[in-house]
Amino acid sequence: GQNIDQPTEMTATEGAIVQINCTYQTSGFNGLFWYQQHAGEAPTFLSYNVLDGLEEKGRFSSFLSRSKGYSYLLLKELQMKDSASYLCAVFNQAGTALIFGKGTTLSVSS
Amino acid sequence: GAVVSQHPSWVICKSGTSVKIECRSLDFQATTMFWYRQFPKQSLMLMATSNEGSKATYEQGVEKDKFLINHASLTLSTLTVTSAHPEDSSFYICSARGDREAEQYFGPGTRLTVT
Repeated sequence: GQNIDQPTEMTATEGAIVQINCTYQTSGFNGLFWYQQHAGEAPTFLSYNVLDGLEEKGRFSSFLSRSKGYSYLLLKELQMKDSASYLCAVFNQAGTALIFGKGTTLSVSS
Repeated sequence: GAVVSQHPSWVICKSGTSVKIECRSLDFQATTMFWYRQFPKQSLMLMATSNEGSKATYEQGVEKDKFLINHASLTLSTLTVTSAHPEDSSFYICSARGDREAEQYFGPGTRLTVT
């Protein structure tokens, strides 16, 4: 089956850099996703990694190591609006649907 | 990016009644749609996967006779919560995926409150 672990909460200040880690165990790997979710809203797509390495997209970057079952999301130049829950997800065993971790709630303060 | 809509965005119903939630892909054909449920301060839990024209695949522990899913076209899936109870109160989110990509596009969610 699938098992995903993320820290429950993190705090940071505006302008700082924060790294949110995700470790996973899955039978059959087809890629790892990061989503952002603000309270009461649906998740929005941030990144998709299927190969090892770092992918940068503006202030957000995502890293994957398949051999270690590990990923991180790096947020630079933090802004107050980045306060949200960040969800790590992998495909289910059938490779059809996403299974989500419990999410990391990030609080950005001034 | 692709757009997925849900209707209604929120609904309040009485215990014992049924509620239908619609999920539509507005600008692409969704061969597969997914229904998730999210309780407060918890993550999304996959309820079922539906493919157009076939029966939905339910996750373990999800009652298929209580949560009826119909995926009648490539742009519409519906979730009907039958004989709703207060413990069914939750945030229901659908997502959709085309047949050539891995990314799932999420709808805005439907908040169901059963009184």
